Amino acid sequence: DGGITQSPKYLFRKEGQNVTLSCEQNLNHDAMYWYRQDPGQGLRLIYYSQIVNDFQKGDIAEGYSVSREKKESFPLTVTSAQKNPTAFYLCASSIRVQLSGANVLTFGAGSRLTVL
Amino acid sequence: DQQVKQNSPSLSVQEGRISILNCDYTNSMFDYFLWYKKYPAEGPTFLISISSIKDKNEDGRFTVFLNKSAKHLSLHIVPSQPGDSAVYFCAASGLVSNYQLIWGAGTKLIIKP
Repeated sequence: DGGITQSPKYLFRKEGQNVTLSCEQNLNHDAMYWYRQDPGQGLRLIYYSQIVNDFQKGDIAEGYSVSREKKESFPLTVTSAQKNPTAFYLCASSIRVQLSGANVLTFGAGSRLTVL
Repeated sequence: DQQVKQNSPSLSVQEGRISILNCDYTNSMFDYFLWYKKYPAEGPTFLISISSIKDKNEDGRFTVFLNKSAKHLSLHIVPSQPGDSAVYFCAASGLVSNYQLIWGAGTKLIIKP
């Protein structure tokens, strides 16, 4: 079955530590995205990538970093510079960033990060 | 500044009746609107979309209505079923958002037996 796999599902981190969240897709999608969800808020875009070895900042990129060395993989590193990292993180993919038509995203199950 | 707003945090509906979820937006340049459904501890799943050039799109029990003059869209679910209990997100996109989705805060729908 094609889909998006995020790991780990739950992660605890001490303040000052970097942590990397994994996202792998086997949908052969070109575009991949990282979102953050906080209680009572919509999803906010952290980074997205339209093609291998290229990525763009979203609305809340500060304190995060990404890489796109392979089409299937788009890991997100939450650095110690992120002031409020406790959140639910969602990875998504789409065939491409649609310049016409609805940009329908397929999501992973999410990773919940808690900073102690 | 929230460009996409879902003003009702929650909605409770009797099983078998119609559920109406509302969404307002501020930017008239959005081209597409989408509805996603999300269960706890899972990622959102796509439900239905509508182009800004249409006023209605239907898919089975789900119908989305768009009122551009009011900058308002709604999702109708008829009849409502227990499995519809979830959080529903409205999202919008277009050149104005660099084709990225702008999300509302979500409405939690509870279907009562």
